[in-house]
Amino acid sequence: DVVMTQSPLSLPVTLGQPASISCRSSQSLLYSDGNTYLSWFHQRPGQSPRRLIYKVSKRDSGVPDRFSGSGSGTDFTLKISRVEAEDVGVYYCMQGAHWPNTFGQGTKLEI
Amino acid sequence: QVQLQESGPGLVKPSETLSLTCTVSGGSISGYFWSWIRQPPGEGLEWIGYFYDSGGGNYNPSLKSRATISVDMSKNQFSLTLTSVTAVDTAVYYCTRIPMAGTGPDYWGQGTLVTVSS
Repeated sequence: DVVMTQSPLSLPVTLGQPASISCRSSQSLLYSDGNTYLSWFHQRPGQSPRRLIYKVSKRDSGVPDRFSGSGSGTDFTLKISRVEAEDVGVYYCMQGAHWPNTFGQGTKLEI
Repeated sequence: QVQLQESGPGLVKPSETLSLTCTVSGGSISGYFWSWIRQPPGEGLEWIGYFYDSGGGNYNPSLKSRATISVDMSKNQFSLTLTSVTAVDTAVYYCTRIPMAGTGPDYWGQGTLVTVSS
C-alpha cells in the first residue's frame, strides 16, 4: 500500500495566523491520465470528514479560499492563510492514485 | 442535497457477520462511485471498498476477502457485509459518495459505531 506521512501530527496555532500541513506519499500520485490524485479532508470532533480539496489544489464548493493546496509527485502541502476558530479538528490527506486508496495518519490542529 | 444514512446493529459478536445498509436520498445511486470507509475509535480512516453504479468495484486486500458490497438500485441502497469479525473490526463505519474516481468522497453519512464484543 502507498504510505501517506503527514507532519506535524499536532499543530498549535494562533487565531489569524497561517498554518501549514505537509503530506508525503511513498509513491508518486501522478496517474496515467495526467492527473495527480491527492485530496485533503477536515474532521471536526464527533463529525464525519469533509472534503476540502481534491486533485492537489481544487477547492470543493463552499470551502473558504483561505484553504489552498499545492504540490506534485510525492510532496504536498495544505495551507490555511488565516486560521479561524472553526478550523480546529483533524486534517487528513488521501491518495487516490493507487488501490487501496490510503489516508495519512492525521494532523490535529488546535488553537 | 444528497444525504446518506447508515443503519444496522451496533453490537456484533466475534466470529459473526457485520451487516450495514446505506440509504441514499436526494439523488440516485446511478452515475457515481460509492464506498464504505471505517474509522476505529481514536484512529485514522481506512477504505473498505467501493463500487460504481450497479457494476463492479474493489475491496481493500487487507480485509482478506471478508467484505462484500451489494447494491439495491430499486431502493437506492447499498450494503456492506463483513464476515468473521474480531475486535479489530470495531469502528465507526461510514458510507460515502465519490463523484470522480480517485478524488475521495464528497458526501459522507453520519457514521455508525459497530462494536465487536461478546
